[in-house]
Amino acid sequence: EAGVAQSPRYKIIEKRQSVAFWCNPISGHATLYWYQQILGQGPKLLIQFQNNGVVDDSQLPKDRFSAERLKGVDSTLKIQPAKLEDSAVYLCASGGVLVQETQYFGPGTRLLVL
Amino acid sequence: KNEVEQSPQNLTAQEGEFITINCSYSVGISALHWLQQHPGGGIVSLFMLSSGKKKHGRLIATINIQEKHSSLHITASHPRDSAVYICAALSGGGADGLTFGKGTHLIIQP
Repeated sequence: EAGVAQSPRYKIIEKRQSVAFWCNPISGHATLYWYQQILGQGPKLLIQFQNNGVVDDSQLPKDRFSAERLKGVDSTLKIQPAKLEDSAVYLCASGGVLVQETQYFGPGTRLLVL
Repeated sequence: KNEVEQSPQNLTAQEGEFITINCSYSVGISALHWLQQHPGGGIVSLFMLSSGKKKHGRLIATINIQEKHSSLHITASHPRDSAVYICAALSGGGADGLTFGKGTHLIIQP
């Protein structure tokens, strides 16, 4: 089966600019996660969707980050405006309905904010 | 909130050595994941376990629920095993999602 797809793979922007990332989960997976991984650290959950509803966005900096999963399939994560500290790898993962199920990760989008 | 600690942070070993990476967590969990991350960012799920031991090829993962501790072992290590290994704990209710350790950077030298 096809894996989790993400684009772009790399993005370089200047601070205060906007950026958007796209994720296409594995077909049929109800749950979709966005993680932020800063260099040298483990991933941090930003937002979790179940179908097109938000389950957990407690660690999403809502003043600048937004995410949506229209129709419960693809998802986009946006940063507006970006700050230097947003430089990180943004990982998308998908899984089944049960949170105990394995999560399948995409290749990630590496963001550099200058 | 669960705290997940991994050790060692960095490990360099010679090809063929037996590798052990440790993970401890502070709060009871429903499951623990071991993940492998190669340069470039891609993450692969290796194991998800809630008790006992799992084996896949040269990889073995064990968990001791009472001691809140898990280990990942690699037998007959190979340079292609070089990667960052991350453990992630899923808390009991699942509502908090995964809490990740910082990862162990493993280098296997030929």
